Amino acid sequence: GNSVTQMEGPVTLSEEAFLTINCTYTATGYPSLFWYVQYPGEGLQLLLKATKADDKGSNKGFEATYRKETTSFHLEKGSVQVSDSAVYFCALTPYNFNKFYFGSGTKLNVKP
Amino acid sequence: DTGVSQDPRHKITKRGQNVTFRCDPISEHNRLYWYRQTLGQGPEFLTYFQNEAQLEKSRLLSDRFSAERPKGSFSTLEIQRTEQGDSAMYLCASSIEGGTGANVLTFGAGSRLTVL
Repeated sequence: GNSVTQMEGPVTLSEEAFLTINCTYTATGYPSLFWYVQYPGEGLQLLLKATKADDKGSNKGFEATYRKETTSFHLEKGSVQVSDSAVYFCALTPYNFNKFYFGSGTKLNVKP
Repeated sequence: DTGVSQDPRHKITKRGQNVTFRCDPISEHNRLYWYRQTLGQGPEFLTYFQNEAQLEKSRLLSDRFSAERPKGSFSTLEIQRTEQGDSAMYLCASSIEGGTGANVLTFGAGSRLTVL
């Protein structure tokens, strides 16, 4: 089957700290992988994506690399800001894009 | 383009009542999805439309839930005889099949249901 597992939160960091949020997946075939972000009071929005093995998605200083051998898509940022405080969701969709599977979300709190 | 719109944003109802949510997707998006999200959890798939055809429906969806997308434009999600366990945020998302934005979900702000 298809599923996503991501590290539980909340994760609390000081501004300018390095961020890693772990995400592993189980999928049939070759899925596309995504990170979505939900800022307080707002809807989910796409942060980055990768559609095949070894692809690196990046946006707003965030990066994630599609690792087929470890079935992982960990989210990283070198220096977080207070404005990055949000809930981050890892997601996948199988080849036919008829369903997206989401992890349970990881809440990030960044302190000044 | 105003994005994905959902209405109402918040609905409070008594157990046993029927409720209906509406979603207006991005106009050129042919795919439309309904998800449910409870506190502290990720979105849970409910159903998927391609144009006007409902192609997939979650087995978690009881017979009390029905969704339509007439003419492949807006969609409605109806919950009949609501139960307290139906209290959740109901999310609508849309996507386009091809092009540079292909297969990326754009979410609405959600409709929060509270069943008393």
